[in-house]
Amino acid sequence: AQSVTQLDSQVPVFEEAPVELRCNYSSSVSVYLFWYVQYPNQGLQLLLKYLSGSTLVKSINGFEAEFNKSQTSFHLRKPSVHISDTAEYFCAVSVIQAGTALIFGKGTTLSVSS
Amino acid sequence: GAVVSQHPSRVICKSGTSVKIECRSLDFQATTMFWYRQFPKQSLMLMATSNEGSKATYEQGVEKDKFLINHASLTLSTLTVTSAHPEDSSFYICSARDPALREQFFGPGTRLTVL
Repeated sequence: AQSVTQLDSQVPVFEEAPVELRCNYSSSVSVYLFWYVQYPNQGLQLLLKYLSGSTLVKSINGFEAEFNKSQTSFHLRKPSVHISDTAEYFCAVSVIQAGTALIFGKGTTLSVSS
Repeated sequence: GAVVSQHPSRVICKSGTSVKIECRSLDFQATTMFWYRQFPKQSLMLMATSNEGSKATYEQGVEKDKFLINHASLTLSTLTVTSAHPEDSSFYICSARDPALREQFFGPGTRLTVL
């Protein structure tokens, strides 16, 4: 079975500060890795994903995450956050085979203040 | 990216009634759809996996007779909460897997409140 651990339930930061949201996973088989963002009372939006290839993946709004197989981690980073980045962030994995569901971490609330 | 819709976005019902939630993939065919439940300030918990033309696979602890899932076409899956009770109040989110993109796309969610 797979599991995802997001070590920080809440991360408060000031605007323009860097941030890292941590994600570790456990799986006996190879997985795909994802980060989703959820704004209040909305569904999930894919932020970025790792399927294969380069271990560093980037989103269009400045976030990036690096797949580290030896540490089974997929931490999310942004060098300078904005107020609008305030949201819930979920790390998720899925087994590399067709039709499998996502397993989510418990989420990290990122709160950006001025 | 692909679009998944859910209807209704919000529903309030009396205890004992049944509620149907629709999940549609608007611009791709989804052989597999998933239903999740999210409690306030918690993560998404997978309820069931829905495959077109076959019975849904439910996760442990999810009552299949209470949460009826039908995946009648490649673009539509429905979740019916039967004889709803206040403890069924939650945010229900569906997702549809686009096999070409190897990615799931999520609907906007349905907020169910049972009085």
